[in-house]
Amino acid sequence: AQSVAQPEDQVNVAEGNPLTVKCTYSVSGNPYLFWYVQYPNRGLQFLLKYITGDNLVKGSYGFEAEFNKSQTSFHLKKPSALVSDSALYFCAVRDQEGGSYIPTFGRGTSLIVHP
Amino acid sequence: NAGVTQTPKFQVLKTGQSMTLQCAQDMNHEYMSWYRQDPGMGLRLIHYSVGAGITDQGEVPNGYNVSRSTTEDFPLRLLSAAPSQTSVYFCASSYYPEGTGELFFGEGSRLTVL
Repeated sequence: AQSVAQPEDQVNVAEGNPLTVKCTYSVSGNPYLFWYVQYPNRGLQFLLKYITGDNLVKGSYGFEAEFNKSQTSFHLKKPSALVSDSALYFCAVRDQEGGSYIPTFGRGTSLIVHP
Repeated sequence: NAGVTQTPKFQVLKTGQSMTLQCAQDMNHEYMSWYRQDPGMGLRLIHYSVGAGITDQGEVPNGYNVSRSTTEDFPLRLLSAAPSQTSVYFCASSYYPEGTGELFFGEGSRLTVL
């Protein structure tokens, strides 16, 4: 079975400060991990993914995420937040074992960047 | 390149009415799926398909029907609409069936059932 948790419903950060949106996962085998962003009244957009290799993954809009196997985490980070980063962020996981095509999504974290 | 196209964007139904939400993708993706998004509930999978002629149920399939006659299209049918089906619906597709590919989402269809 696969599951993902986003422990914070909302994250508040001042513009220019670093931001972190947390994600932890549980899988039977090795994970495929994804981050998506949803702006108001829009569909989800892919930000970045971890499949294998380097634990630090860089994605769109200056975001990056670090895969930590021992802590089963995949936190999303950005060195300097912008007001335009304010959106809903979703973490998702697919288990490499079992051959499932279906990702499991977290409940989402609302990021609010204050001017 | 249109990506994933959903229609209609907005729809109001009366209880008991039926309708079809359309989803089309032009990326030759094998995997397609339908989600509903409700406040505080995240994304919940309704139905999915791994290729033409193949569909399966997700987490919340009751009251919905799907078919996949072509690779491009994956319509979602509401058989007899209920107020509990008021939601925002998203269609998503993926290129790599082995699970490494990211999902491409449509812009959503906002449905209100009165």
